[in-house]
Amino acid sequence: AQSVTQPDIHITVSEGASLELRCNYSYGATPYLFWYVQSPGQGLQLLLKYFSGDTLVQGIKGFEAEFKRSQSSFNLRKPSVHWSDAAEYFCAVGPTSGTYKYIFGTGTRLKVLA
Amino acid sequence: ETGVTQTPRHLVMGMTNKKSLKCEQHLGHNAMYWYKQSAKKPLELMFVYSLEERVENNSVPSRFSPECPNSSHLFLHLHTLQPEDSALYLCASSRLDRDREGYTFGSGTRLTVV
Repeated sequence: AQSVTQPDIHITVSEGASLELRCNYSYGATPYLFWYVQSPGQGLQLLLKYFSGDTLVQGIKGFEAEFKRSQSSFNLRKPSVHWSDAAEYFCAVGPTSGTYKYIFGTGTRLKVLA
Repeated sequence: ETGVTQTPRHLVMGMTNKKSLKCEQHLGHNAMYWYKQSAKKPLELMFVYSLEERVENNSVPSRFSPECPNSSHLFLHLHTLQPEDSALYLCASSRLDRDREGYTFGSGTRLTVV
């Protein structure tokens, strides 16, 4: 079955430190992969996406993610975190076979210490 | 502003009330979705409309009634809700022939049932 796992529910980093959020997926074919960010009380905003080509993709707000087929992973990274990056981050894969649906992970909540 | 507009942003309603949530997009998308986001729970897909036809209803109670009068508008009609229905309701849209673009989400309606 297709699935997305975000192993870390909460992550806390200091401002200026590097960040890596983990995402593992299970999918029968080459997936389309996405990272979304959700600020409190807001909807989800697309950070970046991968569907083919270069396995390192750049997104908005200085984020990047690397697709590793051998590890079924699509981890999100940022070299230096800013306080405004505090939010919840969702990994998604899709669409699932025969549908229009994307599967979302359960999210990782990022806290940034000043 | 993401291109998907949800109104109202906040709604407080009694269990005997009838209200409606509205979602509007002018992105040229032809699929629209309702998601429920409760605290400490994964995103729950409620309904999917493809080309204005409901293609999915994920065992949602009948007190939630969706309506998609055209490809730009989506409603969620609410009646006799329960306190456990309090949540953030997110609308999203996408292009069926552009899976790799992902969803565009609205900012959500925060619903409180008293």
